[in-house]
Amino acid sequence: DAKTTQPNSMESNEEEPVHLPCNHSTISGTDYIHWYRQLPSQGPEYVIHGLTSNVNNRMASLAIAEDRKSSTLILHRATLRDAAVYYCILNSGYALNFGKGTSLLVTP
Amino acid sequence: NAGVTQTPKFQVLKTGQSMTLQCAQDMNHEYMSWYRQDPGMGLRLIHYSVGAGITDQGEVPNGYNVSRSTTEDFPLRLLSAAPSQTSVYFCASSLLAGTKANEQFFGPGTRLTVL
Repeated sequence: DAKTTQPNSMESNEEEPVHLPCNHSTISGTDYIHWYRQLPSQGPEYVIHGLTSNVNNRMASLAIAEDRKSSTLILHRATLRDAAVYYCILNSGYALNFGKGTSLLVTP
Repeated sequence: NAGVTQTPKFQVLKTGQSMTLQCAQDMNHEYMSWYRQDPGMGLRLIHYSVGAGITDQGEVPNGYNVSRSTTEDFPLRLLSAAPSQTSVYFCASSLLAGTKANEQFFGPGTRLTVL
C-alpha cells in the first residue's frame, strides 16, 4: 500500500490559518487522498477527501499538487476545538492505513 | 440516526477471559470494520466485512473473531484475553465496500484493559 509522510506535530495560534502538509510520493492513479482527525478521547472523524482537484467543505480545504505526490489540508481559522491529531490517508477502498498523523496544537 | 454505536465504553478483563465488543450502525452501510489503537499510535485494522456473511482479516487479526449475520451488527470476540490486547477498539462503517471515495464513520470506542 502507498504510504504517507506527515510532520509529527505543528502549532498554530487561534484564529490563524493552518496548513498541514502530507507527502505521498508513491500514490497510484486511482488512490483518493483522505484526511481524518481525532480529537482527544474520541474516534476518528472524516474531514475531507479528493482525487486530483482542490476541494472545499465546511470544515476545511484540500489542496492537491499537480503531480499528486503531496497535498495540504488547510484550516482557514484555527480554533481551540481544532486541536487534534490529523491523519492523511490514501484510501484503498477497505482498510484506512493510519500512520501516526500530525498532532496540532492550537494556542490562544 | 445514531450512527455507529459501541458497547461497552470501558471494560476490564482478567487474562484468559473472553468477551464480545458490540458494534452497530443504523445507516445501512455495507462495509464495517474493527480497529485497535495502542497508546501514541495510529489505528490498525483487525477484521473487516463487506456485507452480511462476509468477513476478512486485517493487519492484526490474531486473538480475535468476528461474524456478520446482519447488515447492522458486527461484534468482535476476544477468545482468551491477553495483556497485549489492552487497547482502545474502534468500529467503523462506510456505505459501500471497496470504494476509494467513501468516507468512514467511526464509533466512540471501547477502552479495554486486560490484567
